[in-house]
Amino acid sequence: DIQMTQSPSSLSASVGDRISITCRASQNIITYLNWYQQQPGKAPRLLIYAASNLQDGVPSRFSGSASGTDFTLTISSLQPEDFATYYCQQTFSSHVTFGQGTKLEIK
Amino acid sequence: QITLKESGPTLVRPTQTLTLTCTFSGFSLSTSVVGVGWIRQPPGKALEWLAVVSWNDDKTYRPSLRNRLTISKDTSKNQVVLTMTNMDPVDTATYYCARRRHWGSGNYNWFDPWGQGILVTVSS
Repeated sequence: DIQMTQSPSSLSASVGDRISITCRASQNIITYLNWYQQQPGKAPRLLIYAASNLQDGVPSRFSGSASGTDFTLTISSLQPEDFATYYCQQTFSSHVTFGQGTKLEIK
Repeated sequence: QITLKESGPTLVRPTQTLTLTCTFSGFSLSTSVVGVGWIRQPPGKALEWLAVVSWNDDKTYRPSLRNRLTISKDTSKNQVVLTMTNMDPVDTATYYCARRRHWGSGNYNWFDPWGQGILVTVSS
């Protein structure tokens, strides 16, 4: 299986901050990488697909980028509703795998 | 509007078989870019993909659970069913179904939207 390693596992930040979360794949996955946001007690929500494409309805403060096997989710100016857990997911393999999650908390 | 909803037992005894149904609306499983998948999440832990069925009835399973899982679709009823045999307390989790959407060529696909999830507890 392709392993997806997210860093950091948790992050404290303030409203208005710019933050980045990294997801590293254990092998080349081209840009077959998606990002999801999960609010407590809720189902995940798709944010970014194919590494850098913003899903319809997702605010433009969210962006995604790729460099080799490293993928980054950036939130340009944190809003109160952005404090949640974020997961990356690879679909290079038909056996898709998720990262372990990054919990974004209010400082 | 696309919606999915999971249904099934919320308490299962060890060694029993779990049967979950995903009932969806707003799309058809006969459309070529579409599939439905199951993902679970143990309490306080990460998401874990289980299985997916495509529009053409192609099925893919998590390798480590392959011998315990069966996924099937009923296109006329807009339902996808997942069965998991020999349930164990470590299978306690919220189980989600989600539409899988393909894009372009290659393996570009994603789960969107997701159902609300159903918490299944395995306990004697």
